[in-house]
Amino acid sequence: NAGVMQNPRHLVRRRGQEARLRCSPMKGHSHVYWYRQLPEEGLKFMVYLQKENIIDESGMPKERFSAEFPKEGPSILRIQQVVRGDSAAYFCASSPYFEHSNTGELFFGEGSRLTVL
Amino acid sequence: TQLLEQSPQFLSIQEGENLTVYCNSSSVFSSLQWYRQEPGEGPVLLVTVVTGGEVKKLKRLTFQFGDARKDSSLHITAAQPGDTGLYLCAGAAGNSGYALNFGKGTSLLVTP
Repeated sequence: NAGVMQNPRHLVRRRGQEARLRCSPMKGHSHVYWYRQLPEEGLKFMVYLQKENIIDESGMPKERFSAEFPKEGPSILRIQQVVRGDSAAYFCASSPYFEHSNTGELFFGEGSRLTVL
Repeated sequence: TQLLEQSPQFLSIQEGENLTVYCNSSSVFSSLQWYRQEPGEGPVLLVTVVTGGEVKKLKRLTFQFGDARKDSSLHITAAQPGDTGLYLCAGAAGNSGYALNFGKGTSLLVTP
């Protein structure tokens, strides 16, 4: 499967624990985006990364959330000291580039569903 | 945040019927995309519309972008059970086209 790969698909954590979600972009894609889908809500942009660079993190909560896309390996979304309100589906998307004309296509993974007990 | 309102929220129809779902906003978007999402899966892009008044056809699906680039519609002709799913619209504003604003979606059920 050459699509965007996310793991784990499902993750259960207790309050206060850490959650790490991984995303491997499509082959040839160097741009990664994380979105969050809360229950009964639409998808919300969180962060845009390129290799070793955070381009735009305007959608990230100010505390406990961080993201990285190292030179080697998958992109990781890390949530420290999780709370119940963090329960959501977290989607990763990738693209080969993003034109200034804003018509670039995002390819989404199947999502990681985080449940905080 | 530029809100996108989708209607109806739920739609249940029989195979062979036609339907239209709507995506409305008070904000102007530089482009608008339609996605379909299956349960437990990620959204899959159907189409991108860029020009006000633009109409795009994808087999039995017809997408229209409003003249003012604030709204869009998706029309499905002769719906089939395989069309069942969650239809999402997403708008891009300015130069941050990757920071899409998604609507909550229209959940479509097509019964045989």
